[in-house]
Amino acid sequence: DAGVTQSPTHLIKTRGQHVTLRCSPISGHKSVSWYQQVLGQGPQFIFQYYEKEERGRGNFPDRFSARQFPNYSSELNVNALLLGDSALYLCASSLWDSTWNTEAFFGQGTRLTVV
Amino acid sequence: DAKTTQPNSMESNEEEPVHLPCNHSTISGTDYIHWYRQLPSQGPEYVIHGLTSNVNNRMASLAIAEDRKSSTLILHRATLRDAAVYYCILKRTNAGKSTFGDGTTLTVKP
Repeated sequence: DAGVTQSPTHLIKTRGQHVTLRCSPISGHKSVSWYQQVLGQGPQFIFQYYEKEERGRGNFPDRFSARQFPNYSSELNVNALLLGDSALYLCASSLWDSTWNTEAFFGQGTRLTVV
Repeated sequence: DAKTTQPNSMESNEEEPVHLPCNHSTISGTDYIHWYRQLPSQGPEYVIHGLTSNVNNRMASLAIAEDRKSSTLILHRATLRDAAVYYCILKRTNAGKSTFGDGTTLTVKP
């Protein structure tokens, strides 16, 4: 079975531009979460989506947005890119239960460099 | 949000047990304790999670203090492949947010 797939794997953008990152969850997983990992630090939570609705949001500016599609894939959008947005962006998918505490499966991430 | 505190780094010898500590003194009654690990150039990998009772799986054991203010991840026989950054995370019931700290870098010596 395919794991969580993210695209692209790497990209370089210029300050002020917009970027869209994509994530395909494991088949059967309806919950997708996004994280930002700056070099040398732990992942920071950005969003969680379940059944196409936002279920959690981290402390990120409104330049960051996301959505989940009917097939449960997801996009993370970042507008007006800043140099500080350079990071590894991770997507994780999971099954859902009433506790919201199931195992999350992470993709390999998208390495974004803003110049 | 409740925070976790972990040592920056730990070392272990191959085939010996490893005990990775985590302090979470502000944990709430609805917070689960999760452990993930991250190998270089890879996304984090789930290790184990629990709420109140000690937990065991094929990868590790999780020992949770009676007052839940600390926990310990136990790798019973460390291998070179266990060298990674280990993250202790609190995740609230019915909430989508997970807060990672900076983790413990485990070095395993042959």
